Amino acid sequence: KNQVEQSPQSLIILEGKNCTLQCNYTVSPFSNLRWYKQDTGRGPVSLTIMTFSENTKSNGRYTATLDADTKQSSLHITASQLSDSASYICVVSAEGNNRLAFGKGNQVVVIP
Amino acid sequence: GAVVSQHPSRVICKSGTSVKIECRSLDFQATTMFWYRQFPKQSLMLMATSNEGSKATYEQGVEKDKFLINHASLTLSTLTVTSAHPEDSSFYICSAHSGGGRGYTFGSGTRLTVV
Repeated sequence: KNQVEQSPQSLIILEGKNCTLQCNYTVSPFSNLRWYKQDTGRGPVSLTIMTFSENTKSNGRYTATLDADTKQSSLHITASQLSDSASYICVVSAEGNNRLAFGKGNQVVVIP
Repeated sequence: GAVVSQHPSRVICKSGTSVKIECRSLDFQATTMFWYRQFPKQSLMLMATSNEGSKATYEQGVEKDKFLINHASLTLSTLTVTSAHPEDSSFYICSAHSGGGRGYTFGSGTRLTVV
């Protein structure tokens, strides 16, 4: 079983609308959680990074939340734009370990 | 800051030939780089950890003689796919830890097509 589960697998939203992506993880001991945006045919680009003590982090129209007790994170996209169409990947790392646990990504398609 | 350059972005090669992919950290030194493979709609899968000045550490099931990794300097790691087969066609991505709380930075990826 994957240590990082994301939902929904895919999502279609209208331009200008908001959406929320979910990430549940079982990685332990927890070190930090990152959200990346991956455009088709490109490498992932970092959006946010949160450690155990942080429960929210914003980057422009992207706001990530973290509940380390329930091991859940969300990424909220506000006022979506066509350029937000991409895969959003949740990545969790364990304390003292270089190895990263990747989710399969939330595929977001923004339509006009 | 924290830019990782990966080259080439796309390559098409014939079966049986070898292909080299370069990964450079442009504005920081990286003693460790990572090589991933990604299939459509799948997670990134770690292939190997590249260590500057020493042998790479390969994940289980990854053939070290097929996927040659060289990390000769603090800013460059290369992945060579030897005797390429069509099933090696995939998206290959490198990353490096840039430190200072910036986390892991990924290259832009290389789309390899073996014909």
